[in-house]
Formats: sequence, structure tokens, C-alpha cells
Amino acid sequence: QSALTQPASVSGSPGQSITISCTGTSSDVGGYNYVSWYQQHPGKAPKLMIYDVSNRPSGVSNRFSGSKSGNTASLTISGLQAEDEADYYCSSYTSSSLYVFGTGTKVTVL
Amino acid sequence: QVQLVQSGAEVKKPGASVKVSCKASGYTFTSYGISWVRQAPGQGLEWMGWISAYNGNTNYAQKLQGRVTMTTDTSTSTAYMELRSLRSDDTAVYYCARDPDSGYDYYFDYWGQGTLVTVSS
Repeated sequence: QSALTQPASVSGSPGQSITISCTGTSSDVGGYNYVSWYQQHPGKAPKLMIYDVSNRPSGVSNRFSGSKSGNTASLTISGLQAEDEADYYCSSYTSSSLYVFGTGTKVTVL
Repeated sequence: QVQLVQSGAEVKKPGASVKVSCKASGYTFTSYGISWVRQAPGQGLEWMGWISAYNGNTNYAQKLQGRVTMTTDTSTSTAYMELRSLRSDDTAVYYCARDPDSGYDYYFDYWGQGTLVTVSS
């Protein structure tokens, strides 16, 4: 099972919006509405930000939103803040091995 | 509150085995599954496998088949991950993470703090 493809880095200025893509296949992202997104600060465990493509867990800011089109899912962070600087990973259910993660994206706040 | 507390850091020699524990609290252990995820230094997340705390069913990543075993002890609400025939590229932080085990939801809503396993001669 190959990792889902994410851009290595995305950057934006405070207050701007950025979007991170996550591209898979019809066996994972495109075939199921089970895409989730995780935020990871250096030295910390990942934190669930979005599940089932577009649902936010309780306590996660509404500045974070998710969507999907075909084999590509996206995470949008609006009103970018310094605390959003972190690594972000997508994950999807996959028919072949249950779960697969994306390659990860480093978000930099300029 | 839900907590997953993992065992401490380990240093192992190539060829040895390691067993990492993950003690759950704050929820009904048998109502969820536990996945294990690892992260090599400076690298991304890699899903290793999953175990149902309800019935012990497992699903392992193909690349680890034959080297990994995941178990649970429902009497202590603890999950275990054993990795055998360790190699230097098994050096990583190992995380346990809770998943719904519902058959219609797939995500990790709580994570352990991570356990660093270093494989070195």
C-alpha cells in the first residue's frame, strides 16, 4: 500500500487561508468517505482535526475544514495563525490494509 | 478523560524483540479498537496494524506481517505491540491510537504519548 500524496510544504501569512491536498486512488480516498486529518507539533503526538472527510471533533477550531473530490481530499485552514504551524497528515481507510497515511505536509506561517 | 499511557523508551540490539504497552483509561476499553502507528526520525507516520479490544481480531500492515503481534489484556485495559527481529530501520517513535472499531468509522481520536524504540548494536 503506497502512502497518499501530499505536498511537502505549504506556507501562508497570518490571516490568510491555505489548502493542503491529499491524493490517493479509488481504493482509498476516492472509494470511501473515511478521510481524516491530523496535526502534529514537533515532539508531540498527532491530534485529530477532521474525520469522515469534513467532520470536526469537539474542541477543534472551525477555521479547519475538510472536503473531497474524486481521489483527492483537502484540508483548508482559514485565518491562519502562528499556532497552526505544524506538520499535517491525512489518512484514509483502504480496502487493502485498513489504513494508509499521507506523506505529510509542513505548514509554515510566514 | 480518555488517556492512553505508553511504556517507556527502549534500546534494543538488532535481532532482538521489543514489546510496548498502552494502558487505556477513561472509556470502556472493549468498545474500541487500538491501532499502532510508528514514526521514524524525521519521517512521516506509518500505520502498523490494528486490534479489536472487543474480540481480539487483528489486521497487520503487509510489510510487518510475520514480525509483529498485537494483543490486549481486557482485565487491565492494556494493549501490547511486540515487534521481533528488530533492524536499525525499526528505530522510531511508536504510538498507540484509539479507533471506533464500528465498521463504519475509521480514524484515530486519542493517541498515546509515544515510545521511542532505538535499535542499535
